[in-house]
Amino acid sequence: DQQVKQNSPSLSVQEGRISILNCDYTNSMFDYFLWYKKYPAEGPTFLISISSIKDKNEDGRFTVFLNKSAKHLSLHIVPSQPGDSAVYFCAASSIKAAGNKLTFGGGTRVLVKP
Amino acid sequence: DVKVTQSSRYLVKRTGEKVFLECVQDMDHENMFWYRQDPGLGLRLIYFSYDVKMKEKGDIPEGYSVSREKKERFSLILESASTNQTSMYLCASSLQGRAFFGQGTRLTVV
Repeated sequence: DQQVKQNSPSLSVQEGRISILNCDYTNSMFDYFLWYKKYPAEGPTFLISISSIKDKNEDGRFTVFLNKSAKHLSLHIVPSQPGDSAVYFCAASSIKAAGNKLTFGGGTRVLVKP
Repeated sequence: DVKVTQSSRYLVKRTGEKVFLECVQDMDHENMFWYRQDPGLGLRLIYFSYDVKMKEKGDIPEGYSVSREKKERFSLILESASTNQTSMYLCASSLQGRAFFGQGTRLTVV
């Protein structure tokens, strides 16, 4: 049973426009959420995170929104740039759990067209 | 900068071989992880460790084992490689919930 789901496997957006990536989770114990970006043949790199005590976190062009009641988070990229073309993974963890293991969604492939 | 280094970028092994994937981190992190990435399935946790000589099964541990004799090193072992273990393997270490990944090992079992 997938505890973290990204229902859109791919997204295509024009350069300069907004990219919106969505993620749903089922485990109420999750209290820390992250987004990772991955290029082919490389390891994922950390993008942005949010704690469950917040509903929004912003870092430059990237903003993550958390809706705890809906168990939903989203990543907004504004404006989108061609270098943003990559696979984006949503991840969740429980900070109190031993090991702080991350549970990942299936990923969304983003293509930003020039 | 945190550095997580995996010993090989690409490996080709034969069915039935014993395979060792090595991972080293340089930031004194307690937690280390092994994931595999397959198309459409995201990253799935194989094993993790939160201390030396401590290990916990992840979501898909079957066919794998791990070793953590030193804090900085976490090894993944495929006891008898099979073709369904062809995948991208990713090692990570973490601090305060944030994981840092190595560059990945693309393993092909033929």
